[in-house]
Amino acid sequence: QQQVKQSPQSLIVQKGGISIINCAYENTAFDYFPWYQQFPGKGPALLIAIRPDVSEKKEGRFTISFNKSAKQFSLHIMDSQPGDSATYFCAASRLGAQKLVFGQGTRLTINP
Amino acid sequence: DSGVTQTPKHLITATGQRVTLRCSPRSGDLSVYWYQQSLDQGLQFLIQYYNGEERAKGNILERFSAQQFPDLHSELNLSSLELGDSALYFCASSVREGAGLGSPLHFGNGTRLTVT
Repeated sequence: QQQVKQSPQSLIVQKGGISIINCAYENTAFDYFPWYQQFPGKGPALLIAIRPDVSEKKEGRFTISFNKSAKQFSLHIMDSQPGDSATYFCAASRLGAQKLVFGQGTRLTINP
Repeated sequence: DSGVTQTPKHLITATGQRVTLRCSPRSGDLSVYWYQQSLDQGLQFLIQYYNGEERAKGNILERFSAQQFPDLHSELNLSSLELGDSALYFCASSVREGAGLGSPLHFGNGTRLTVT
């Protein structure tokens, strides 16, 4: 019930391509879905977040797509750049809960 | 810069020893969270404090303990260390008691603990 499953574990995309990372959850009480970006030697940094009452949120080249019925959400990175190479984590939490539950992470490599 | 400060950046110690990790939250944030990150386990929630009081516990071992002080900084104490405790330990803070759109978690850069 508390798990968030993330795929793929690793992803290689050519510069200018679209990177897509997927997450699935079981707990229908989750109501907050952030994505974090982590560079080597740094802590995770909030990238973008969404609530389940919207199906899509876009910030620059980053878009979250949310499918409530399928209990899935994904991160799309348009026009991927070498500087986007990092590990990406999806997460989820529910109203009143204290913790974020994280996916296992996706190591993204953008080839120049 | 997230505004969350963690010290030390690196710790190397021997099995059986005890260490203390320190975290200063972002200015204005009342909640502090501790997470453990190891290669095969991702980010695992350990414990959370809000305004000095423990609010939630996750997969925290009995050998580990934490506290949040009146000035809101927090310390994570790890004792009787084992090789398997080697990991990155992250502190995060948020303005409210839980995570949400109006209260995102901001992470420090972590303490890398190596137990030899």
